[in-house]
Formats: sequence, structure tokens, C-alpha cells
Amino acid sequence: DAGITQSPRHKVTETGTPVTLRCHQTENHRYMYWYRQDPGHGLRLIHYSYGVKDTDKGEVSDGYSVSRSKTEDFLLTLESATSSQTSVYFCAISESEVTQYFGPGTRLLVL
Amino acid sequence: GQNIDQPTEMTATEGAIVQINCTYQTSGFNGLFWYQQHAGEAPTFLSYNVLDGLEEKGRFSSFLSRSKGYSYLLLKELQMKDSASYLCAVRVPFNAGNNRKLIWGLGTSLAVNP
Repeated sequence: DAGITQSPRHKVTETGTPVTLRCHQTENHRYMYWYRQDPGHGLRLIHYSYGVKDTDKGEVSDGYSVSRSKTEDFLLTLESATSSQTSVYFCAISESEVTQYFGPGTRLLVL
Repeated sequence: GQNIDQPTEMTATEGAIVQINCTYQTSGFNGLFWYQQHAGEAPTFLSYNVLDGLEEKGRFSSFLSRSKGYSYLLLKELQMKDSASYLCAVRVPFNAGNNRKLIWGLGTSLAVNP
């Protein structure tokens, strides 16, 4: 949706390098989420945030960290990228912690 | 455990009606969502059911039976642009406190043929 952007949209990186993905929203929604989507697994929650500086782990958080210093930005960092982190990453936002709206996604390839 | 089942693929004809089923077995239930995802794009919200019954929204309707752990998405007057993957997701308790998360099915790929 126009209210959510993700950058970069595509990235190729090498194993062992750090990578940061950015999610930016203009909706002033309180809740933000990072998911990965892989064939055979569906969407899986990595980390989520329920406010500035308030974050928590999702179901597949190992190897990932997040930060939210402003309402509009939620950053996902792969501390040392591995080939298993090759995936499509989606950011989502929610005003009420019920319905989530997704950003366009980032395709990450780790070689 | 947490489990959501949907058919992998379905085909239908333009102008027809198609029903996509979703069954779930989860620890707790706080609502069920349907999302549409075109190839290479983000999921987009279609419907949310938290009480039993049918919710109608234009050509799309969604039904929920909590006692049966069952939902379906009904698409009427199918159009070619409805060719997409349809994702079923259940909202469940997560971590401590009042946190909730979505458990996602693998999606049903619908092909609409002329």
C-alpha cells in the first residue's frame, strides 16, 4: 500500500555480511511486524514492535535484530547473513493489533 | 501444535463461483483472516471473521464456524484478475500478556480460466 514502503526492494549480498532492511510507514500505526515468506513455510513472524523502542521476538528471530527509534521506521538487521536467510521479507503495520497491512516486500539473495 | 490446512491449488472458470476452504487447529483463537496475494506482490487484506457466520463484501464472502475449526472464502462472478494465491491466517495468543500473532496457511493458488 502507498502508506508503507520497504527499501531496498531487491538485494544480493554475500554470506557473513550484515544487511539492514528498512520499513517506513506514513500511517502513524502503532504496531509493525517483520515476516519472511518461503516456499513450503508460508509467512513467519520474525520480530514485531508495539511502539517506539518496544520490540519483541517472533517465531523465527534467531540471526535477526530490529530497532524502532521512530514511529514511522522499523529496521530489520541480519547480523551476519547466511544462505538460509535468502527469502522475501515483508513488513506489515497495524493500527489496532488486529488487521495487518503489508508493504511491497524485499527480495534478499544471500550468496 | 498450530496447524492450518488449505488446498494447494484450485482452478475455476471466468464468471463462475469458487469456494476455498480452510481448516485450523490452534491453541486459542482470536479471529480468522483471508488475504489475497498475486504472484510477486504483497498480501492484501480481504476479510476478518471473529464470530460464527457469513461476512459478505462485494463479490467476496467469508464464513466461519469456530466449533468446527473451519472457514471458507467464496468468490463470485470470477474474473481473470482473481487468479492469485489466497492465504488463510488465524490470530492466536503469543508470548505473555495480551500479545497476539497470526498463524498462516500455505495458501491456495487459484487459476481462473477464460
